[in-house]
Amino acid sequence: DTEVTQTPKHLVMGMTNKKSLKCEQHMGHRAMYWYKQKAKKPPELMFVYSYEKLSINESVPSRFSPECPNSSLLNLHLHALQPEDSALYLCASSQEDRSTAYGYTFGSGTRLTVV
Amino acid sequence: TQLLEQSPQFLSIQEGENLTVYCNSSSVFSSLQWYRQEPGEGPVLLVTVVTGGEVKKLKRLTFQFGDARKDSSLHITAAQPGDTGLYLCAGADNSGNTPLVFGKGTRLSVIA
Repeated sequence: DTEVTQTPKHLVMGMTNKKSLKCEQHMGHRAMYWYKQKAKKPPELMFVYSYEKLSINESVPSRFSPECPNSSLLNLHLHALQPEDSALYLCASSQEDRSTAYGYTFGSGTRLTVV
Repeated sequence: TQLLEQSPQFLSIQEGENLTVYCNSSSVFSSLQWYRQEPGEGPVLLVTVVTGGEVKKLKRLTFQFGDARKDSSLHITAAQPGDTGLYLCAGADNSGNTPLVFGKGTRLSVIA
């Protein structure tokens, strides 16, 4: 299995809702990442997990809460989002966060719309 | 802070034309990667270059890493509509302690 699987593919949520984005990989990768991508822009790093521990939080608002239940799963819990949070949320994984030669494997993303 | 500058930002060409996309930095990278992203999908890794001066070919795509490992180029020969997408370069620093640094991307449109 050489994929990163993200669910759901599309999500519409109200500003008072609580929802979660899920990401799964079975490549044995020990680093996992959440990125946010607005239309026609490059991905922006949000969080990095290394060996199931949060290693980087790029000053992301607390309405985004990441969780890494085990080495294969990464969640992003969403609560009280704003319309400007609407974006494509990408999950990625790599062999480890210090690996420079292998690159990242990205999922197809969750297209989130906040209404 | 390491930065990667990509140029051009946008490129619209006719099918069959050649093109080159550039990725430049004042910093040295231990490796550089190129990704292509199609609308509504995640970026897909095309190639990783590690050695200064390295050239890699992937069908009609030629990737080069600069001798000083500060820059890279992607050349596409005889572009096809299927090459349309966002091309991102990403660099890994020498310390290996930070995530990949992404450039802002080059949006390529190949018109049939």
